[in-house]
Amino acid sequence: GENVEQHPSTLSVQEGDSAVIKCTYSDSASNYFPWYKQELGKGPQLIIDIRSNVGEKKDQRIAVTLNKTAKHFSLHITETQPEDSAVYFCAASNTNAGKSTFGDGTTLTVKP
Amino acid sequence: ETGVTQTPRHLVMGMTNKKSLKCEQHLGHNAMYWYKQSAKKPLELMFVYNFKEQTENNSVPSRFSPECPNSSHLFLHLHTLQPEDSALYLCASSQAPTGSGANVLTFGAGSRLTVL
Repeated sequence: GENVEQHPSTLSVQEGDSAVIKCTYSDSASNYFPWYKQELGKGPQLIIDIRSNVGEKKDQRIAVTLNKTAKHFSLHITETQPEDSAVYFCAASNTNAGKSTFGDGTTLTVKP
Repeated sequence: ETGVTQTPRHLVMGMTNKKSLKCEQHLGHNAMYWYKQSAKKPLELMFVYNFKEQTENNSVPSRFSPECPNSSHLFLHLHTLQPEDSALYLCASSQAPTGSGANVLTFGAGSRLTVL
């Protein structure tokens, strides 16, 4: 089955700096890679996703890159703000099989 | 509010109790999921339902019994649980379990379960 590894497990940055979270996956059949943000007391919320036919996607301060050959994808947050502090999860899935495998999460802390 | 509502938000139960968790989605989705979130395994899939039919049981102990009476409602019936079952139980839904809408999950806020 699919195996997703996520690094780092914790990340602390100064407000205004950039943050990068990386994930690797094992199943070459995976074709959908979402990122979820989980704030305290809430469930994970989708913030950005990328499909295997695209190498990069950007939405304001967040971007995701995908390297299918190396089987890794990354989340980039620029100009971080305190409200970006949360746990971030990556996931990989094969939409034909219909099951997502999640990374173990990264706790991001943005210091004011 | 995400469109997926879970009740209760917090539940404390003894090992001999029977309780149920409820999930309701107002998104018109056809697939619903139960996930367990704990410190050991942050997001662990338990069950998947597609059009009310169970399509995935991820080797979950029988003390957890899911029920999906229709595409909008999902229950998790709990009985004779163990303290190690204490966790946050998350419900999610997606447009479909496979295809282009698959795996785009909308999560509820979760039910925090404590087993004494």
